[in-house]
Amino acid sequence: KAGVTQTPRYLIKTRGQQVTLSCSPISGHRSVSWYQQTPGQGLQFLFEYFSETQRNKGNFPGRFSGRQFSNSRSEMNVSTLELGDSALYLCASSLVIDTNEQFFGPGTRLTVL
Amino acid sequence: GDSVTQMEGPVTLSEEAFLTINCTYTATGYPSLFWYVQYPGEGLQLLLKATKADDKGSNKGFEATYRKETTSFHLEKGSVQVSDSAVYFCALKGTGNQFYFGTGTSLTVIP
Repeated sequence: KAGVTQTPRYLIKTRGQQVTLSCSPISGHRSVSWYQQTPGQGLQFLFEYFSETQRNKGNFPGRFSGRQFSNSRSEMNVSTLELGDSALYLCASSLVIDTNEQFFGPGTRLTVL
Repeated sequence: GDSVTQMEGPVTLSEEAFLTINCTYTATGYPSLFWYVQYPGEGLQLLLKATKADDKGSNKGFEATYRKETTSFHLEKGSVQVSDSAVYFCALKGTGNQFYFGTGTSLTVIP
């Protein structure tokens, strides 16, 4: 069974631009969560989607948004990029919501110049 | 709010040495606790978990015991290998069923 895939793996953008990241969960998984990973902060929870609905949201500004499609694939969008948005963005999928088992993708490395 | 504090790294050990990575947590209620491992260029993988007090999670020679009295979940391994070199994250599932992660501890094992 294929794992969680994230595209692209690497991105370079400049301040003020916007970016869209994509995540395809494991086949059959309906929940997708997004995390931002930075060296000083570790992993910080962005949001969780289940059945195309946002079920949980972390403490990030409104510039960070997401959505989930009917096939469970999810996208994350960051508008008006700032230097501090440079990070590894990880997606995790799980079979259902409120489970202890989540499977992570390899991440998208975003660099903002 | 809920949070996890883990030992600062990096940690460098010789092969076959004993490993301890400390992790303490703050949470309301009774969270589930986890250790994840991240190898270079990869996402996180679940290493072990414990869902209630005094539970011991174990996998691949790694162990951690859920200690409610000390709010700790320290990771241990009796004899590390070069292949254990990775970044280790302690995490809890707490308020609102949200995951909270520590900042990660980098481990390098030298032959």
